[in-house]
This record gives sequence, C-alpha cells and structure tokens, in this order.
Amino acid sequence: DAGITQSPRHKVTETGTPVTLRCHQTENHRYMYWYRQDPGHGLRLIHYSYGVKDTDKGEVSDGYSVSRSKTEDFLLTLESATSSQTSVYFCAISDAGTGLQETQYFGPGTRLLVL
Amino acid sequence: AQKVTQAQTEISVVEKEDVTLDCVYETRDTTYYLFWYKQPPSGELVFLIRRNSFDEQNEISGRYSWNFQKSTSSFNFTITASQVVDSAVYFCALSEPAGGSYIPTFGRGTSLIVHP
Repeated sequence: DAGITQSPRHKVTETGTPVTLRCHQTENHRYMYWYRQDPGHGLRLIHYSYGVKDTDKGEVSDGYSVSRSKTEDFLLTLESATSSQTSVYFCAISDAGTGLQETQYFGPGTRLLVL
Repeated sequence: AQKVTQAQTEISVVEKEDVTLDCVYETRDTTYYLFWYKQPPSGELVFLIRRNSFDEQNEISGRYSWNFQKSTSSFNFTITASQVVDSAVYFCALSEPAGGSYIPTFGRGTSLIVHP
C-alpha cells in the first residue's frame, strides 16, 4: 500500500470557522491531489500540486486553498467553512514526473461535517 | 457534458451472476489513460487497472475482465461469477494531457450490490 495518511480522519466544525486538512505521503511522489466525494457526483478535483510550492486549481476550487511547503505534505484549507463543504475529502498521490501518467493512490479519506 | 459517463447508477445482482459495468469516455487526445477503481463499503479507494490508449488488448485478472474499445470509446468492466465481496462502488476515470500533466476525470460511479 502507498504510504498516504490523512488527518484528521473525522471532523465536525461550525459554519464560518477555518479548517485545515493534512495529507502526508512517504513515497516522495511529485504530484498530490485533493478531491471531494459527494453522492451523485463521484470524485471531483479541488486542487493539485506538481511540486513544492507549485499548485493549481481543479474543478471545484472555490472556497478552498492549498499549500505545499514540503514534498511530503499537502494541506487543504477551508478559509470559512460552509455547510456545502460537508463531504468526504480524499488525498491522492502519483509520480507523473516523467510525463507519463502513473496511477493515483488514495489516502483513507477525511469525513468533514460542517454544522 | 461529462467526459466519463457511467450510466448505471446502481446494479443489483445475485451471487454467481456475471455483471458488466459500463464506462464511456470522451476525449480528443490520441494519448490518454483509463482506470478503474473500487470503493468498498469501508470507504477506501482501491486501484484495479490502468490502460493506455494504444493498448486495446482485453485484460483478464481472475474473475475480473476489461474490454477496451476505442471505436466506441468504451472501457467496460465485467465481473464473472460475482461474490458478495464484490459489493462496492466502482469508478472509471480518464486521464488526458493538460498542460503537460495528466489530470484524471472520474465518472460518478456505479454501485454494485451482490446479494447472497
């Protein structure tokens, strides 16, 4: 199994509060991704990173920011959480540095409930 | 329009039946990759298979088989003699070049329920 951990695994928060989710990898992979999973929508890309301090937006980036100061850590921040951000969040990694797509491997997920 | 369409939202079968999960994709690129992932009730996402656009050979792995047809832009997944442990949500995904990187797009998933 790819070494990917996410923390916290579960979180309940209130509307308007900031929330930071952490993804940590031990594989030294270049690419890291944040997805959200909602019923009827499958997996939707929020942001991704292709290197330290190199990030880009995905399909549903509004209301989210990311940071990657080290290869192994990719942080997802909800600046001011809203109920629509209640979801399961997955981190993924891949080693696409050669230009060829490598398989994405996923972390265990974080369940976030915004009240 | 969806780039990856999994038209079957939910499929219910009885154990030992064969079942095919459909995946239709849309791309203008000649080089791309297709994937299938499994998400069991425990919630983790498990990689099953990757196929590149230049390899149309069908793949078989135990009870699982995949039929890739570029002519119909389909990458279907068949489970032979289904078992209760096959109950899961299955996702098909497409990776296309995007500014030099390959960013996957996932279908909405097909929930497979296998009854004993």
